[in-house]
Amino acid sequence: GAVVSQHPSWVICKSGTSVKIECRSLDFQATTMFWYRQFPKQSLMLMATSNEGSKATYEQGVEKDKFLINHASLTLSTLTVTSAHPEDSSFYICSAGSGRAYNEQFFGPGTRLTVL
Amino acid sequence: GQNIDQPTEMTATEGAIVQINCTYQTSGFNGLFWYQQHAGEAPTFLSYNVLDGLEEKGRFSSFLSRSKGYSYLLLKELQMKDSASYLCAALDSNYQLIWGAGTKLIIKP
Repeated sequence: GAVVSQHPSWVICKSGTSVKIECRSLDFQATTMFWYRQFPKQSLMLMATSNEGSKATYEQGVEKDKFLINHASLTLSTLTVTSAHPEDSSFYICSAGSGRAYNEQFFGPGTRLTVL
Repeated sequence: GQNIDQPTEMTATEGAIVQINCTYQTSGFNGLFWYQQHAGEAPTFLSYNVLDGLEEKGRFSSFLSRSKGYSYLLLKELQMKDSASYLCAALDSNYQLIWGAGTKLIIKP
């Protein structure tokens, strides 16, 4: 159990375009989903926390108008990178909270974004 | 500020034992996680400690000392597939995960 999927696995886009990444919890309901970004040889950086039915909470330094997060249902959250630039190229990972007291997170497989 | 420290890289031999240390400073504490991350993949859960002591799970064990702000992950009978980064993450008083930069473990035959 506790499977999280992400789509697409990788995407290449032109500078200035927008890219949408989907995160789904396949066999459980996730009231909270987390979006991370990871640059090579660096740790995960939390971008935002999204709660179903409400606005996402963004970490300091993350532009909410550039990284649009929608958590429309208990099994789906989306991250849209708007007007992507080469510096947005990164590994984007979502995770879904297990709902247990200790907040274990189950990670999606990640999306590799390359902006040309 | 909140901080997690772990070594950047370690090397060990197949079949041997390796201990990866992690020290943490957080605003409150609600437990410590260890995750394994292979290159180009998302992290996978290994262990969670909230009480002092050693938790054993097969070849992997995790230890926590809350008074010292210290944890370690112990890997026994190392296999080549254990080559990965190992991430230490502490849960603060707001139940936010504070991540370490990860320890890259290289296993040599």
